[in-house]
Amino acid sequence: AQKVTQAQTEISVVEKEDVTLDCVYETRDTTYYLFWYKQPPSGELVFLIRRNSFDEQNEISGRYSWNFQKSTSSFNFTITASQVVDSAVYFCALRGPYSGAGSYQLTFGKGTKLSVIP
Amino acid sequence: EAGVTQFPSHSVIEKGQTVTLRCDPISGHDNLYWYRRVMGKEIKFLLHFVKESKQDESGMPNNRFLAERTGGTYSTLKVQPAELEDSGVYFCASSRQAGLAFWEQYFGPGTRLTVT
Repeated sequence: AQKVTQAQTEISVVEKEDVTLDCVYETRDTTYYLFWYKQPPSGELVFLIRRNSFDEQNEISGRYSWNFQKSTSSFNFTITASQVVDSAVYFCALRGPYSGAGSYQLTFGKGTKLSVIP
Repeated sequence: EAGVTQFPSHSVIEKGQTVTLRCDPISGHDNLYWYRRVMGKEIKFLLHFVKESKQDESGMPNNRFLAERTGGTYSTLKVQPAELEDSGVYFCASSRQAGLAFWEQYFGPGTRLTVT
């Protein structure tokens, strides 16, 4: 069975601080994909990143960076120099189970609510 | 390109009533998914359409939920009769035909359903 655990329910930081959101996953698949989505107050889930299990290089996109470690089954997300606009709920997700026709469900964690205080 | 849209954004109904949620996927996306998030819990898969066909209904909670996608365009999710535990946010997502480069799921803003 697949599972995604986001142990941090809520985090508050002061603007310009760095913050790391944790994500631990469980899967029996040898090939898998991990995702992060952002849910701002407007409600929609915004895709941030996809990472496949073959590529363990860390990724950086502006103030965002992701640390993928297969040895610990973790895919953590760091925001550097946080800003008020980063306030949102962040979801980590794992591709699967297979839902047919070449497509997959997404298995989500419970989400971490990040509040950045001015 | 317009994103996934959902209507209504919020619905408050009494237990026993019927509610119909609508999702319009991104144009050209064959795959349409419904998910639900009950407060404080994970976002959970409900079902998956490929065009007008139900590909996977494994997440549907019970037979009070009926999803349709006539003509392979928009989809509706009807809850009849609604129960208190049906309260939550219902998300719709769409993706193109399966393929390595194009299978990201794009989500709508969700419909917040409150059953009182």
